[in-house]
Amino acid sequence: DAGITQSPRHKVTETGTPVTLRCHQTENHRYMYWYRQDPGHGLRLIHYSYGVKDTDKGEVSDGYSVSRSKTEDFLLTLESATSSQTSVYFCAISPSVKVHEQFFGPGTRLTVL
Amino acid sequence: AQTVTQSQPEMSVQEAETVTLSCTYDTSESDYYLFWYKQPPSRQMILVIRQEAYKQQNATENRFSVNFQKAAKSFSLKISDSQLGDAAMYFCAYRSDWDDKIIFGKGTRLHILP
Repeated sequence: DAGITQSPRHKVTETGTPVTLRCHQTENHRYMYWYRQDPGHGLRLIHYSYGVKDTDKGEVSDGYSVSRSKTEDFLLTLESATSSQTSVYFCAISPSVKVHEQFFGPGTRLTVL
Repeated sequence: AQTVTQSQPEMSVQEAETVTLSCTYDTSESDYYLFWYKQPPSRQMILVIRQEAYKQQNATENRFSVNFQKAAKSFSLKISDSQLGDAAMYFCAYRSDWDDKIIFGKGTRLHILP
């Protein structure tokens, strides 16, 4: 299994508070991704990174920001959490464009009250 | 824009029987990759099988096989000899050869009946 961890695994927070989710990999893979999973929507891409300090928006990026200062860490920040951001968040990694599949972390369940 | 459609939100199959999950996709690209991911109750996303569009031969992984119809833009997953551990949500996914991103379908929840 790819060495991907996510922290925290569960979090409950209140509307308006900032939240940061961390994805950590031990594979030295170049590409990292953040998805959210909601019933009836499958997985939707929030942001992704194709190298240190290189990031781009995905399909549902509004209300989220990311940072990648080291190869191994990709942070997802909700600046001011809203109830619509209650979801399960997955991090994924991929070594290169030549390896087309992605490998996923265990997920973080976030509840915004 | 590419899209992936899974028309069966839920399916059930008797243990030891065979079941086929459907997936269609829309793309104007000629080079791309298709995947089936499994998500059991543990929530972990597991890659089941992948198919390169340039390969005519259908991919197979043990009891899992695909029926890839490029002209019809169809990519179905067949599970033979279904087992209780196959119960999960299954996601079909597409990735263009030139893109960094994967597009997922909305999933099919598979129930295995003992």
